Amino acid sequence: DAKTTQPNSMESNEEEPVHLPCNHSTISGTDYIHWYRQLPSQGPEYVIHGLTSNVNNRMASLAIAEDRKSSTLILHRATLRDAAVYYCILRDNAGGTSYGKLTFGQGTILTVHP
Amino acid sequence: EAQVTQNPRYLITVTGKKLTVTCSQNMNHEYMSWYRQDPGLGLRQIYYSMNVEVTDKGDVPEGYKVSRKEKRNFPLILESPSPNQTSLYFCASSLLGDNYGYTFGSGTRLTVV
Repeated sequence: DAKTTQPNSMESNEEEPVHLPCNHSTISGTDYIHWYRQLPSQGPEYVIHGLTSNVNNRMASLAIAEDRKSSTLILHRATLRDAAVYYCILRDNAGGTSYGKLTFGQGTILTVHP
Repeated sequence: EAQVTQNPRYLITVTGKKLTVTCSQNMNHEYMSWYRQDPGLGLRQIYYSMNVEVTDKGDVPEGYKVSRKEKRNFPLILESPSPNQTSLYFCASSLLGDNYGYTFGSGTRLTVV
């Protein structure tokens, strides 16, 4: 399974932008980059995903490097409710027995200061 | 509301007493999966299913069984629970295909004594 590497923790101030990096140097051509976040005592929540192009939705933006070996999740204005563990995951789309599988790493703990 | 519903949220049981954790989704998703979350080990996939009557092992299937008789339901069965199965369990579902994210349930915290 392809692996991702994220910083253990990051801090931000409320209403400032947050850039959460992720390295995935062994990504394959069929892997989609997914981001999820997990608030305390809750299940992981889908944030955004992409393949090659940058993506935007109401929650965040995803910037993908041209060589696809890294990506950055961008929260444009952090709020206290954004404090969570953020997971960068590669979803296996190659087919076969691993199709659709999400392999979670340790994630980045984001702390947001008022 | 589109959601994945797990029951129960909390369960304490004794070693060897069979139990079932239910998972149901109302989004007509083909793909369903079970994960367990343990401190320091993150989330690990137990079993998954790509459609009715199609199930397969994930990374840590030992001690667990699943079934997929209906599209909406994907129960996790522990025939003879042991203390090392004490964990936080999550069910997830998704449409098949490249352009979809996963919806997770709220979790089931299981303690086996």
